[in-house]
Amino acid sequence: GAGVSQSPSNKVTEKGKDVELRCDPISGHTALYWYRQRLGQGLEFLIYFQGNSAPDKSGLPSDRFSAERTGESVSTLTIQRTQQEDSAVYLCASSFPGQGFGYTFGSGTRLTVV
Amino acid sequence: AQSVTQLDSQVPVFEEAPVELRCNYSSSVSVYLFWYVQYPNQGLQLLLKYLSGSTLVKGINGFEAEFNKSQTSFHLRKPSVHISDTAEYFCAVPHGGATNKLIFGTGTLLAVQP
Repeated sequence: GAGVSQSPSNKVTEKGKDVELRCDPISGHTALYWYRQRLGQGLEFLIYFQGNSAPDKSGLPSDRFSAERTGESVSTLTIQRTQQEDSAVYLCASSFPGQGFGYTFGSGTRLTVV
Repeated sequence: AQSVTQLDSQVPVFEEAPVELRCNYSSSVSVYLFWYVQYPNQGLQLLLKYLSGSTLVKGINGFEAEFNKSQTSFHLRKPSVHISDTAEYFCAVPHGGATNKLIFGTGTLLAVQP
């Protein structure tokens, strides 16, 4: 597609439930990133994919968080047993490999845990 | 690892006035630097980037930034702002090493008043 697509755009879930967030990157962008943005705060790196491997998972906050990527396309971020502190906007970005290209971001998924 | 600092969390300014949003980076090696803008309830959009060459970089929407190696700064400027420029602005730098992830500053809210 023309841009990075994320779904759902909004998700309200009960504490303790599992959620899956989806990201569809720009075709040809082999690099894919997940970030978390809590209300009024900056962007917190979660995980980086190059193709379908994840060389940097250093930002995943706990073992309740996991992510997968199919080839060089769709990625899903899964949060198990959601907690209220997981409430945030989850942003996905994709880019060509290399540090000079910059990212293209999706519009994000706003997750609210009640 | 590289990092960026945005000292101003919020910058109020009147419409048609000039504005400067400050960003300082920490690095002892060559850097790439980026500015992103986030409009309300949207993802981030690339404003401009510095890779090499001319230290004055022009971006979209009339913004420009100047790379200053001696002061380790990459301040964002616009000579005359509009109400529509009201948004959160993030400075970013590649983390370095094998990962391509970007490290973002904490953001500056530009609040343009009529």
